[in-house]
Amino acid sequence: QVQLQESGPGLVKPSETLSLTCAVSGYSISSGYYWGWIRQPPGKGLEWIGSIYHSGSTYYNPSLKSRVTISVDTSKNQFSLKLSSVTAADTAVYYCAKFDTAMVLGYFDYWGQGTLVTVSS
Amino acid sequence: DIQMTQSPSSLSASVGDRVTITCRASQGISNSLAWYQQKPGKAPKLLLYAASRLESGVPSRFSGSGSGTDYTLTISSLQPEDFATYYCQQYYSTPLTFGQGTKVEIK
Repeated sequence: QVQLQESGPGLVKPSETLSLTCAVSGYSISSGYYWGWIRQPPGKGLEWIGSIYHSGSTYYNPSLKSRVTISVDTSKNQFSLKLSSVTAADTAVYYCAKFDTAMVLGYFDYWGQGTLVTVSS
Repeated sequence: DIQMTQSPSSLSASVGDRVTITCRASQGISNSLAWYQQKPGKAPKLLLYAASRLESGVPSRFSGSGSGTDYTLTISSLQPEDFATYYCQQYYSTPLTFGQGTKVEIK
C-alpha cells in the first residue's frame, strides 16, 4: 500500500521560503510515475502546484512557476517542494500525491494527509 | 488554461436520492477527467478517471459519463457516507485544473 507523508514547518514568515518534504513508503519513486504537490487554501478549492518524475523532470503551474522548485531524492524515497517569497495568499493545506500514470497528464490515486502551512509574521 | 466549472456549487439531498453533479470544461478534454470526493479535514479520494472508469474499491453507485466539454458524476442512491465535497479535475493539458467543488449536504 502506497503511503505519502508531508512534513515541514507549519508557520512561515512573509517573504520567506516555504519548504515541505513528502516521504513515500510502499513504493519506490525510482520505479516510475509522476509525483505532485497540490494545495488548498482554507475553505477553497484545489490547485495543482507542480509535478516531478524520478528522473528529475518537472512541470509547474505557470501561475506559480517563478517561485516553485520541486526536487526528488530517490535515495531517501522522497520529494520536496520549495515556494519562495510567500505571502498570506500562500496559506493553505499542502498535499503531496502520486500520479496514476508515468505522464504528467494524469490524475492522483494516492494522497498524503496534508499539512497546513500558515504564512504570518 | 482549461477552466473547469462545476454545477451546482452545493446541493441538499436525502439518503436514497439520485444525485447528479456536472462539470463543464472551457474546451474539449477527450474524457481526460477524474472525480474526487473530499470529506472535511481529509485528503481527496479518487472516485473515477477517464470520465467513467471506476477506481478500484469505489462503490458501484458512483458512475460517470460525458464527452467533449460536458461531464457528469452520478450517485445512484445517496448513502450517509457520501455527504462530502466533490471535485472534477482535467488532465488533458497542463496546468492540471480542478473544478471549484460541489458540496453535497444532508436535506
